[in-house]
Amino acid sequence: DGGITQSPKYLFRKEGQNVTLSCEQNLNHDAMYWYRQDPGQGLRLIYYSQIVNDFQKGDIAEGYSVSREKKESFPLTVTSAQKNPTAFYLCASSQSRGLENTEAFFGQGTRLTVV
Amino acid sequence: DQQVKQNSPSLSVQEGRISILNCDYTNSMFDYFLWYKKYPAEGPTFLISISSIKDKNEDGRFTVFLNKSAKHLSLHIVPSQPGDSAVYFCAASARGTSYGKLTFGQGTILTVHP
Repeated sequence: DGGITQSPKYLFRKEGQNVTLSCEQNLNHDAMYWYRQDPGQGLRLIYYSQIVNDFQKGDIAEGYSVSREKKESFPLTVTSAQKNPTAFYLCASSQSRGLENTEAFFGQGTRLTVV
Repeated sequence: DQQVKQNSPSLSVQEGRISILNCDYTNSMFDYFLWYKKYPAEGPTFLISISSIKDKNEDGRFTVFLNKSAKHLSLHIVPSQPGDSAVYFCAASARGTSYGKLTFGQGTILTVHP
């Protein structure tokens, strides 16, 4: 089955620790994204990558880091510099712009709780 | 600066009736609009989309209308079913960007009563 896999589904970490969230896709999409959702709010873009070995900051990149060494993988590290890391994190992938409009596909999310 | 707004946090509808969810945007660079459906603790699933060159797109019970002059779009669900109860997000993509680089509204919680 083609899709996006995020792991783990739930993650608990102590304050001050870095933590890495995994995202893998087998849709052969060039572009991948990380979003964050807080209660009662919409999704906000953290980082995105349109091609391997390249990525750009989104609207709320402070305290996060990413890498894109393989087309299929786009891990997100939540560092100790992120002031409010507890949130629901969503990974997505899509085609880059082309002749035909298409949608982004999302993973099932990782709930990160920092205690 | 909220570029995509869903001003109704919630909507309650009787089964069989029409549900109308609204969305407003401010950025003239947006040229592709999508609606996603989301359940708690799950990822959003794509519902329907519309390009800025169209004013209507229909898929089964779901129709999206786009009014570019008013910078407004709406999602109509007819007839509404209890299984439609979820959070609905409006999202927009700007010209020249990847399809997944989206700006989301805050979401509208739709409840369809049997």
